[in-house]
Amino acid sequence: AQSVTQLDSQVPVFEEAPVELRCNYSSSVSVYLFWYVQYPNQGLQLLLKYLSGSTLVKGINGFEAEFNKSQTSFHLRKPSVHISDTAEYFCAVILYSSASKIIFGSGTRLSIRP
Amino acid sequence: NAGVTQTPKFQVLKTGQSMTLQCAQDMNHNSMYWYRQDPGMGLRLIYYSASEGTTDKGEVPNGYNVSRLNKREFSLRLESAAPSQTSVYFCASSEAERPTGFYNEQFFGPGTRLTVL
Repeated sequence: AQSVTQLDSQVPVFEEAPVELRCNYSSSVSVYLFWYVQYPNQGLQLLLKYLSGSTLVKGINGFEAEFNKSQTSFHLRKPSVHISDTAEYFCAVILYSSASKIIFGSGTRLSIRP
Repeated sequence: NAGVTQTPKFQVLKTGQSMTLQCAQDMNHNSMYWYRQDPGMGLRLIYYSASEGTTDKGEVPNGYNVSRLNKREFSLRLESAAPSQTSVYFCASSEAERPTGFYNEQFFGPGTRLTVL
């Protein structure tokens, strides 16, 4: 069965430090991959997505993610975080073959310390 | 552009009561979605609609009904609320023109926080 695992429920980092939020998925078929961000008291918005092509995907607000098929991972990275990056981040997966079902991970809460 | 709007923002119900959550989008999107978000879990799809007049079940449809009133509006109804339906409900929309269009970017509303006592 298809599933998404976000290994860290919370990640505290200092401002201007780098961060990596981890996402692993399980699927025997090709997938589309997404990262969404949820700022406090708001709905989700798309950060970036991988559909095909280059495995390094750049998104909004300086975030990027790398698709690693052999490790079934899609980790999100930012070289230098800001207070405004405080939010919850969700990884999501869609099966390429059907694209009629989206599975979200349980989320990682990123808290930035000054 | 308001994007995706949801009403109400907060609601408290007693077990067995009914209510309808309203959602509207002004982006002329074809597809609309209802999700629930529970602590420690990702969003789970309740129902979606790829076009006016059509609806499909998602991952957790039991206890809910939906109506795609027109292209702009997609409502979610709880006929007999249960404490297990305490959650935050999000509506979303996308340009997807068919049920298999989940790879299109979804735009989310601010959510409705529902408590069932």
